[in-house]
Amino acid sequence: GQNIDQPTEMTATEGAIVQINCTYQTSGFNGLFWYQQHAGEAPTFLSYNVLDGLEEKGRFSSFLSRSKGYSYLLLKELQMKDSASYLCAVILRWRAGNMLTFGGGTRLMVKP
Amino acid sequence: EAGVTQFPSHSVIEKGQTVTLRCDPISGHDNLYWYRRVMGKEIKFLLHFVKESKQDESGMPNNRFLAERTGGTYSTLKVQPAELEDSGVYFCASSQGVAGTGDEQYFGPGTRLTVT
Repeated sequence: GQNIDQPTEMTATEGAIVQINCTYQTSGFNGLFWYQQHAGEAPTFLSYNVLDGLEEKGRFSSFLSRSKGYSYLLLKELQMKDSASYLCAVILRWRAGNMLTFGGGTRLMVKP
Repeated sequence: EAGVTQFPSHSVIEKGQTVTLRCDPISGHDNLYWYRRVMGKEIKFLLHFVKESKQDESGMPNNRFLAERTGGTYSTLKVQPAELEDSGVYFCASSQGVAGTGDEQYFGPGTRLTVT
């Protein structure tokens, strides 16, 4: 079966840096997405990694190691509005159509 | 440009009743996906349309669920008859093309379905 693991909850302080990890064991791999979801709202796209390495986009960066089945999302200069759930999702190569296979999500709480 | 919209935002029905959820994707997006999140679990794929055709419905739980996308625009997901375990948040997402890499899916806010 497909297994995507991420911590359930994390807490960090405003202005700090936090790293949210995601490990996956899947049959095939064709890319990994990170989405942010505020309570009651739509998940919104943050990043996409298909090759090994770091992708930086403003305060957010995402890293992928395909050999280790590992990714992380790095949030810098945390703001209160970053309190949300962060979803790791994988596209499985063997399935056509790019449907996403999700982890359980990490709820991040940013404290003053 | 409007994002993905879903209707209703909330629905409370009794076991055995029928409910129809609607999704309006972003205009011009050929791909439309339905996902579901039940309490305490991860978001799971239900099915995928390319225009009006069902590309993959391997995630549909059983034959009480029927999805349509007539004309390749909006989609409906009907649950008939609803059971308690169908409660959850139903998300719709759309994307422009199945490029194979980085084809971002845009999600709607979801419909929270409660079956009592």
